[in-house]
Amino acid sequence: AQSVSQHNHHVILSEAASLELGCNYSYGGTVNLFWYVQYPGQHLQLLLKYFSGDPLVKGIKGFEAEFIKSKFSFNLRKPSVQWSDTAEYFCAVNPYNNNDMRFGAGTRLTVKP
Amino acid sequence: GAGVSQSPSNKVTEKGKDVELRCDPISGHTALYWYRQSLGQGLEFLIYFQGNSAPDKSGLPSDRFSAERTGGSVSTLTIQRTQQEDSAVYLCASSSSRARQVNSPLHFGNGTRLTVT
Repeated sequence: AQSVSQHNHHVILSEAASLELGCNYSYGGTVNLFWYVQYPGQHLQLLLKYFSGDPLVKGIKGFEAEFIKSKFSFNLRKPSVQWSDTAEYFCAVNPYNNNDMRFGAGTRLTVKP
Repeated sequence: GAGVSQSPSNKVTEKGKDVELRCDPISGHTALYWYRQSLGQGLEFLIYFQGNSAPDKSGLPSDRFSAERTGGSVSTLTIQRTQQEDSAVYLCASSSSRARQVNSPLHFGNGTRLTVT
């Protein structure tokens, strides 16, 4: 079955550590890719998106993600996390020319001050 | 402007009862999605509306679940004869995407937390 996989369920880091959250998908063909974030007590909001062009995309708050087509991956990175980055992060995939917007199970990030 | 509004924010119901969850999307957004978020699970796609087109119901888990969207705006998700496994947060999202591909971000509501006792 087509799916979106986030292998890290819970990541705990200290402030200033580097972050990489994995996302893999199994859809063939062209896809649009997204990362959403849900801060404690808040609704889901868009962090960054990839439609085409440069596979390294930059989002808000210093986050970036790299699309590697050959690996069906769209990993999220941040060089130096802050306590305020504590949140749940969801990868999402929209197969091109399709209504579907499928999400991964989410990764909970806890940043210790 | 106002975001996506969902009501109620919390709903506790007894097993076997019917419930209705409401979503008021951002004005002008033609695309509307319902998702279910269970503890430890990702966002499970339920149903998608785009304007006045027939909805994509492929994610509804059983025939106890149904949804409608009146006038291309407000949507209601109905769960009949609720079961304990229906307990979850039900999220609604809207988007200004008009094409079949999602080229505009989804704007999410705060969700309705449903507890079936």
